[in-house]
Amino acid sequence: KQEVTQIPAALSVPEGENLVLNCSFTDSAIYNLQWFRQDPGKGLTSLLLIQSSQREQTSGRLNASLDKSSGRSTLYIAASQPGDSATYLCAVKTSGTYKYIFGTGTRLKVLA
Amino acid sequence: DVKVTQSSRYLVKRTGEKVFLECVQDMDHENMFWYRQDPGLGLRLIYFSYDVKMKEKGDIPEGYSVSREKKERFSLILESASTNQTSMYLCASSFRFEKLFFGSGTQLSVL
Repeated sequence: KQEVTQIPAALSVPEGENLVLNCSFTDSAIYNLQWFRQDPGKGLTSLLLIQSSQREQTSGRLNASLDKSSGRSTLYIAASQPGDSATYLCAVKTSGTYKYIFGTGTRLKVLA
Repeated sequence: DVKVTQSSRYLVKRTGEKVFLECVQDMDHENMFWYRQDPGLGLRLIYFSYDVKMKEKGDIPEGYSVSREKKERFSLILESASTNQTSMYLCASSFRFEKLFFGSGTQLSVL
């Protein structure tokens, strides 16, 4: 059974710092992995999707990597800004199932 | 861009009431999902639909049912609302099993 873990649960950094968020999964037979952003009381917004055959995806200041063999994905945020403050979740779609399994998220606070 | 619209942002209902949560997507996606999100538990799948009138149970279907009469609309029904169904409800859609698009959520309180 796929399990997805995100550590730490919360993180505070000063503005301008580069940071890495982690996502671990137990079953390497994944179809794809997505990173989402969620603002308080709102829905989730998809940031990046990495297919099983890919190693990384980039969008602006965001870069997501995928290492299936070690069961890890990282989301790198460059030059963080207060507007990046939100909860970041990863979700894994395992091959052969219709379910996306979500981590419980990392709550990021970027201090001005 | 894809739009997933949930009919209510906030809803307050009484125990025992029948509750309907509506979700509409505008991109002809075949897949639609209903999740609930609770602090410390993350997102949990209630039901999944892959076509009109087709559905699969998720991880926590008890106390819920769904309806998909048209491709763009997926409804979640709480047959008899209970206090333990107080939660944030999130609808999502996708083309095949690619990028997931979420609605803005419905915060349901059952008193």
